[in-house]
Amino acid sequence: AQTVTQSQPEMSVQEAETVTLSCTYDTSESDYYLFWYKQPPSRQMILVIRQEAYKQQNATENRFSVNFQKAAKSFSLKISDSQLGDAAMYFCAYRSSNYGGSQGNLIFGKGTKLSVKP
Amino acid sequence: GAGVSQTPSNKVTEKGKYVELRCDPISGHTALYWYRQSLGQGPEFLIYFQGTGAADDSGLPNDRFFAVRPEGSVSTLKIQRTERGDSAVYLCASSLVGLYNEQFFGPGTRLTVL
Repeated sequence: AQTVTQSQPEMSVQEAETVTLSCTYDTSESDYYLFWYKQPPSRQMILVIRQEAYKQQNATENRFSVNFQKAAKSFSLKISDSQLGDAAMYFCAYRSSNYGGSQGNLIFGKGTKLSVKP
Repeated sequence: GAGVSQTPSNKVTEKGKYVELRCDPISGHTALYWYRQSLGQGPEFLIYFQGTGAADDSGLPNDRFFAVRPEGSVSTLKIQRTERGDSAVYLCASSLVGLYNEQFFGPGTRLTVL
């Protein structure tokens, strides 16, 4: 079974600075998807960024980028020029790329609470 | 268009009672997922619908939990004989068919069992 681990329960960053959130995962599959979701106090999960395991190039979405290390099974999220609105819980998630045993459900880590200081 | 909606937003019930939680997916999304998020944890998969049928219910914790989606749109998660350990946020997500497609989440229902 696949697992996702986020070892940083809480992180803090100064506004306009850069912060990196860590995520590791375990899987025996060679092809899969990885995601970072943001969950503000409103509880609604919002997709931040997605990475396909077969792609060597790291995904980037504006101020958000990932460092995907497939051999190390590591998938960190870098937030540049942090803004007050970035404060939220961040979840790393895994999804298989074939239906097989799972039907496409997401497997989440426990999350990292990010605080942004003005 | 409207996103995924869930009702009620909050539900407080007493131990032993029956509750129903509703999810309205995005129109045209045939895939629908239910997740449960306990305090301080990430969401955990409960059940997946493809159209009207439950394609995977392996995440349901026990037979007190049941979900339906009779017309392939709205889904209802039903919990019988609620226990205090059922207290959590129940999230619903919908997507187009295909593992590449993004799952869009609703705001969840916070269930509190006293």
